[in-house]
Amino acid sequence: QKEVEQNSGPLSVPEGAIASLNCTYSDRVSQSFFWYRQYSGKSPELIMSIYSNGDKEDGRFTAQLNKASQYVSLLIRDSQPSDSATYLCAVTAGGTSYGKLTFGQGTILTVHP
Amino acid sequence: KAGVTQTPRYLIKTRGQQVTLSCSPISGHRSVSWYQQTPGQGLQFLFEYFSETQRNKGNFPGRFSGRQFSNSRSEMNVSTLELGDSALYLCASSSGDSPQYFGPGTRLLVL
Repeated sequence: QKEVEQNSGPLSVPEGAIASLNCTYSDRVSQSFFWYRQYSGKSPELIMSIYSNGDKEDGRFTAQLNKASQYVSLLIRDSQPSDSATYLCAVTAGGTSYGKLTFGQGTILTVHP
Repeated sequence: KAGVTQTPRYLIKTRGQQVTLSCSPISGHRSVSWYQQTPGQGLQFLFEYFSETQRNKGNFPGRFSGRQFSNSRSEMNVSTLELGDSALYLCASSSGDSPQYFGPGTRLLVL
């Protein structure tokens, strides 16, 4: 089992729809969870961080964390073509809130007009 | 604040050579982490430095090394380059226990 797994893509949604991206992790003591967006040929850009169970909203983005189920998700409301990118889920390792990030393989999202 | 900067942005080397990559973190950030990104393996953690000390290390061979200076700038070195070392090398900085912010990366091609 991979340490961080994301739902296989690619994911294609129409403009204006909700895109749902999912991630599971294997380390029960992980404390910090992040979503990064990576455009082709660019470096990852942090879009959300979440540390406690529940939902965290920032504009059109909502991150959801369920530590009991070892599950973290990202919802993108009112998806725009500019949201088309690879989304990376990242988790800190070993019970710390810093240092090593373990990444999922990424989910490619395409938003079509 | 200025973001994370990395130099050089592109590099071409031949097998057996060595290479040094540089990273300047966001002002005030004391933690610098390095990652390797390849199409096959994705993003993999190399090591993290905090206040000039290596705090975490990934599962890479000893050919990969790094260091951090008193001004928090960091360098990573790869010796005896192999074809498989061709990758995007990313540096990320944080204030210690905050999210990590990535630089633009150095794209290394080993011929």
